[in-house]
Amino acid sequence: GAGVSQSPRYKVAKRGQDVALRCDPISGHVSLFWYQQALGQGPEFLTYFQNEAQLDKSGLPSDRFFAERPEGSVSTLKIQRTQQEDSAVYLCASSLGGMGGYTFGSGTRLTVV
Amino acid sequence: EDQVTQSPEALRLQEGESSSLNCSYTVSGLRGLFWYRQDPGKGPEFLFTLYSAGEEKEKERLKATLTKKESFLHITAPKPEDSATYLCALLPIGGATNKLIFGTGTLLAVQP
Repeated sequence: GAGVSQSPRYKVAKRGQDVALRCDPISGHVSLFWYQQALGQGPEFLTYFQNEAQLDKSGLPSDRFFAERPEGSVSTLKIQRTQQEDSAVYLCASSLGGMGGYTFGSGTRLTVV
Repeated sequence: EDQVTQSPEALRLQEGESSSLNCSYTVSGLRGLFWYRQDPGKGPEFLFTLYSAGEEKEKERLKATLTKKESFLHITAPKPEDSATYLCALLPIGGATNKLIFGTGTLLAVQP
């Protein structure tokens, strides 16, 4: 597609529920990033993939967070046993590789109640 | 520790009133400094990358400049459609992941 697509756009989860957030990057983009953005804050790095390899997961807040990109294209961010502090916008970005302006999706707004 | 601080947090301008947004940074080594624009409910949209002190880039009413300690985003004769949050981000030297370190942004409101 022309841009990075994320689904769902909005997700309301009850505390303790598991959620899965999907990212469809731009076709052919090697690099894929997940960021978390709290209200009024800048995005914070969660994890990075180069093709199917997860090269950096240093930003994942706890072992309840898990990300995968099994075929080097679509990626899924999974959060187990959601907590209220997980409420945020989850942004996905992709790029051809190297430096440069990553293309971000519109994000998934997760609200844990 | 690599760090980015943006100021002001919020800025209200009249249409046509030029101003500047500031991004101060500390970093062990800089590979690049990025500016993004973010509209409500959207992801950040890439504006510029600056690589070395003294570099300038322009796009329509926006001009970004870089020194060894800060970057400015100058907005000349802004229009209401320039209203958005402007984010600055660092790409430090080192590491293999090209992960960006973002500031908290400046919320710009341009009134007609």
